[in-house]
Amino acid sequence: DAGVIQSPRHEVTEMGQEVTLRCKPISGHNSLFWYRQTMMRGLELLIYFNNNVPIDDSGMPEDRFSAKMPNASFSTLKIQPSEPRDSAVYFCASQKGGARGFFGVNEQFFGPGTRLTVL
Amino acid sequence: AQSVTQPDIHITVSEGASLELRCNYSYGATPYLFWYVQSPGQGLQLLLKYFSGDTLVQGIKGFEAEFKRSQSSFNLRKPSVHWSDAAEYFCAVVRPTGANNLFFGTGTRLTVIP
Repeated sequence: DAGVIQSPRHEVTEMGQEVTLRCKPISGHNSLFWYRQTMMRGLELLIYFNNNVPIDDSGMPEDRFSAKMPNASFSTLKIQPSEPRDSAVYFCASQKGGARGFFGVNEQFFGPGTRLTVL
Repeated sequence: AQSVTQPDIHITVSEGASLELRCNYSYGATPYLFWYVQSPGQGLQLLLKYFSGDTLVQGIKGFEAEFKRSQSSFNLRKPSVHWSDAAEYFCAVVRPTGANNLFFGTGTRLTVIP
């Protein structure tokens, strides 16, 4: 398996532009997570989906951020309009089942991340 | 407040020396505990995890971690560090009930000197 795939790996854009980050989870995984990593705030969860349904979006910073999962193999995170403070590395992770599997805790597998720079 | 604490922001060790990275959590019940490693420019890779049973957990790359309930700790150890272990290490938890997402500590950056 190719693992979690994220695109683009790097994105540089100007303030006010729309940015779309993409994620393809591992086949067979039915939970998907979007995280953001910054120097100031570390790694923080933005939103997670289970069976394509958003379960917890309390980490989404504001209305400029939106995420969708139209099917089991694809998710997007969109920022519109983007601002310089959105500059960060955005990670997507997928997991088989929920966090608590029958034999214990299921692992989240992370993608390589998208480094976003908003000028 | 519920949290995960990694008190050491940056640690430097010599190659071949032993390593211990600290992690403390503050939850009423024992959460599920993880250690992840992030190499420069890379995503996170799971080193090991604990949810019950033997409190000494073996992971990949020669790492181990010990869960100590009395100290609310889950410290990561390696007896002999290799230069390739230089990376950022994150302790993380999934709460014992409720949401499935990981809560991360702030990370410890490990530098290995020859």
